[in-house]
Amino acid sequence: EDKVVQSPLSLVVHEGDTVTLNCSYEVTNFRSLLWYKQEKKAPTFLFMLTSSGIEKKSGRLSSILDKKELFSILNITATQTGDSAVYLCAVTGANSKLTFGKGITLSVRP
Amino acid sequence: ETGVTQSPTHLIKTRGQQVTLRCSSQSGHNTVSWYQQALGQGPQFIFQYYREEENGRGNFPPRFSGLQFPNYSSELNVNALELDDSALYLCASSSRFRGNYEQYFGPGTRLTVT
Repeated sequence: EDKVVQSPLSLVVHEGDTVTLNCSYEVTNFRSLLWYKQEKKAPTFLFMLTSSGIEKKSGRLSSILDKKELFSILNITATQTGDSAVYLCAVTGANSKLTFGKGITLSVRP
Repeated sequence: ETGVTQSPTHLIKTRGQQVTLRCSSQSGHNTVSWYQQALGQGPQFIFQYYREEENGRGNFPPRFSGLQFPNYSSELNVNALELDDSALYLCASSSRFRGNYEQYFGPGTRLTVT
């Protein structure tokens, strides 16, 4: 059965800090790993990673995948209070369903 | 915003009742997936629809069923509601032509079963 484990489950930082969110996975016939940000309702898409070692960046957020060690990290630099949210990691296998982790609750204090 | 819409926004039902949730996919997307998200958990895959047929199912009982229409919109039906069915129900649309890798979520329907 496909499995995603995220760590830590929650963290509290101050504005301006840099945070690293971790995601490890087990999946049959890996196709992609996705990161989402969930504030109130709908998870919003951040990144999709399919190849090892290629960093994806969007502003202060970046992510990288290691297919050999089966993990990914999401980095957020110069955090802002608007970054407070639950960050979800998900993987897709052969059947294109998303298997999610439990999420990481990030709280950014002013 | 993703262009995926869901209705209703909130719903309160009594145990044993039946409920229908609706989802309209993003323009250009032909596949709809449904997820259940309990409080404090990640979303759990219920099933996926493509070309009006179920195309994969998670570990949910048969009282969870769905439909997809020719315009790619979809319904999720849950019969004989149980208290544990209380959750946020999310639908996500994607394009099979692009491998269904990127799935975009609607705002969800919050179902409360009392």
